[in-house]
Amino acid sequence: AQSVAQPEDQVNVAEGNPLTVKCTYSVSGNPYLFWYVQYPNRGLQFLLKYITGDNLVKGSYGFEAEFNKSQTSFHLKKPSALVSDSALYFCAVRDEGTDKLIFGTGTRLQVFP
Amino acid sequence: DVKVTQSSRYLVKRTGEKVFLECVQDMDHENMFWYRQDPGLGLRLIYFSYDVKMKEKGDIPEGYSVSREKKERFSLILESASTNQTSMYLCASRRLAGTGNQPQHFGDGTRLSIL
Repeated sequence: AQSVAQPEDQVNVAEGNPLTVKCTYSVSGNPYLFWYVQYPNRGLQFLLKYITGDNLVKGSYGFEAEFNKSQTSFHLKKPSALVSDSALYFCAVRDEGTDKLIFGTGTRLQVFP
Repeated sequence: DVKVTQSSRYLVKRTGEKVFLECVQDMDHENMFWYRQDPGLGLRLIYFSYDVKMKEKGDIPEGYSVSREKKERFSLILESASTNQTSMYLCASRRLAGTGNQPQHFGDGTRLSIL
């Protein structure tokens, strides 16, 4: 069965420092992977996706994600964090049988000034 | 930009009531979804619809039903509300073409409290 894991409930980083939010996945075929962000009292916003091609995917707000097939990971990264990046981040993988999305439990990113 | 609108941001109801949550999207998307979001559990799929008048059970459909009479509108119904249905409810839509690689677009959610 397909699954996705976000091993960290919370990540703390100082403004200006690089940030990484981790995600690992398990699929039997080719993975379709997504990152979403949720700001307080809002719905989820799409950040980026990996379907095929380059392992480094660029997305909205300066975020990027690195697909690593051997480690079955899809970590979200940003070279220089902003306080306004503080939010809840969700990784998701496509369920190959139904095309539904399977979401991780979320990682809260806190960027300190 | 895609706009997914949920009719209420906050809703308070009593146990046993029949509750309707409404969702409308303006981009002619075929697929629509209802999730609930609870701390530590992420998003769990309740029901989804591939197109008008079609519906499929998700992972946690018990106690819920849905209606999709028009393409733009997807309603979630709590037949007899219970306190364990207190949650944040999120609606999403997605274009059908190349479905597996299309992102879902979310509304801002309805925070439902059942007293």
